[in-house]
Amino acid sequence: ETGVTQSPTHLIKTRGQQVTLRCSSQSGHNTVSWYQQALGQGPQFIFQYYREEENGRGNFPPRFSGLQFPNYSSELNVNALELDDSALYLCASSLYGARVRYEQYFGPGTRLTVT
Amino acid sequence: SQQGEEDPQALSIQEGENATMNCSYKTSINNLQWYRQNSGRGLVHLILIRSNEREKHSGRLRVTLDTSKKSSSLLITASRAADTASYFCATVLRMDSSYKLIFGSGTRLLVRP
Repeated sequence: ETGVTQSPTHLIKTRGQQVTLRCSSQSGHNTVSWYQQALGQGPQFIFQYYREEENGRGNFPPRFSGLQFPNYSSELNVNALELDDSALYLCASSLYGARVRYEQYFGPGTRLTVT
Repeated sequence: SQQGEEDPQALSIQEGENATMNCSYKTSINNLQWYRQNSGRGLVHLILIRSNEREKHSGRLRVTLDTSKKSSSLLITASRAADTASYFCATVLRMDSSYKLIFGSGTRLLVRP
């Protein structure tokens, strides 16, 4: 177990709706990254948060947004859901600073189905 | 396109046999990592090999890195049914003050009892 938790485990939404996914980082970690993993594919980087600010973004539209809170927990918000948003959403926490090893510790994921 | 590409896409072996998975990547790297994912679950970090290392061991895992060929391999020795999972290689891409992991599409390993 990595100590990273995500909620909910599964979620079903309708096209056009909005969704919020939550993540609690591993204790002592200051950085959280979100990934989208479509079925049969590797995870794709959405964005990263460090010190409560977006600190890097992948090739995802602005309707994907996030927050990081002072306790380093995080939310991923997706507006105007599309069918292609159906995927496993993974949160990963890490410690960014001197002598960083770039290892990330993943939560179990949230399976989002858009109908 | 993804930085890392694993080969083969799927591998089926008998328990006790060795499993070898390969990963190729495109740009220079700081390190390369291997992760494991059980069906539809989160990824578990297995091993990290730095760009100045050529081989690394962890239990039944052996990872090699050839930076001249931009490739890495993961060997699982004496496989067990519990090793059945998807295995991904990941490289680090620095972005200003942040970084991201770039994953390949994975190798799906089935170990038959």
